[in-house]
Amino acid sequence: AQTVTQSQPEMSVQEAETVTLSCTYDTSENNYYLFWYKQPPSRQMILVIRQEAYKQQNATENRFSVNFQKAAKSFSLKISDSQLGDTAMYFCAFIASALNYGGSQGNLIFGKGTKLSVKP
Amino acid sequence: NAGVTQTPKFRILKIGQSMTLQCTQDMNHNYMYWYRQDPGMGLKLIYYSVGAGITDKGEVPNGYNVSRSTTEDFPLRLELAAPSQTSVYFCASSYSADTPREQYFGPGTRLTVT
Repeated sequence: AQTVTQSQPEMSVQEAETVTLSCTYDTSENNYYLFWYKQPPSRQMILVIRQEAYKQQNATENRFSVNFQKAAKSFSLKISDSQLGDTAMYFCAFIASALNYGGSQGNLIFGKGTKLSVKP
Repeated sequence: NAGVTQTPKFRILKIGQSMTLQCTQDMNHNYMYWYRQDPGMGLKLIYYSVGAGITDKGEVPNGYNVSRSTTEDFPLRLELAAPSQTSVYFCASSYSADTPREQYFGPGTRLTVT
């Protein structure tokens, strides 16, 4: 079974600085997708960035980038130039590409989350 | 597009009562999902649907039922509510099983069972 582990329950960063959130996962699949979701106090789940396992190039979305290490099964999120609006829970999530995997085709596996606080 | 909408936003139930959480999407997505999020945890899949008339269990289906009579709607039914069902419930949808399988989430329903 797949698992996703986020080892940092809480982190804080000063505004304008850079912070890295860690995520490791376990799977026997070769093709899969990884995501970082942001959940602000409004509770809305917002997709921040995604990475396809077959792509070696790390994904980047403006101030957000990932360090994807497939062999190490590591998928960290780097937030540059942190802003007060980045304060939120951040969830790492995994989904297998195989259509019939585990009989649960849409099963996003989530980590427990990291609470990020950006301080002025 | 409104995206994924959920009603109600909040609800308090007494033990043993039942209710239906509504979910609607206007993106013509075939896949729809129900998750629950307990305090301090990530989301866990309750049920999912790959199209109208087709549903299947996820990781934590006990105490819930679903139906999918249309592409747009995917209601979640709680029968005989229990305190263990106190949680935040999220509905999500995605395109048919092509890449990149991104799921779009609704705003959530906070349910308290007392």
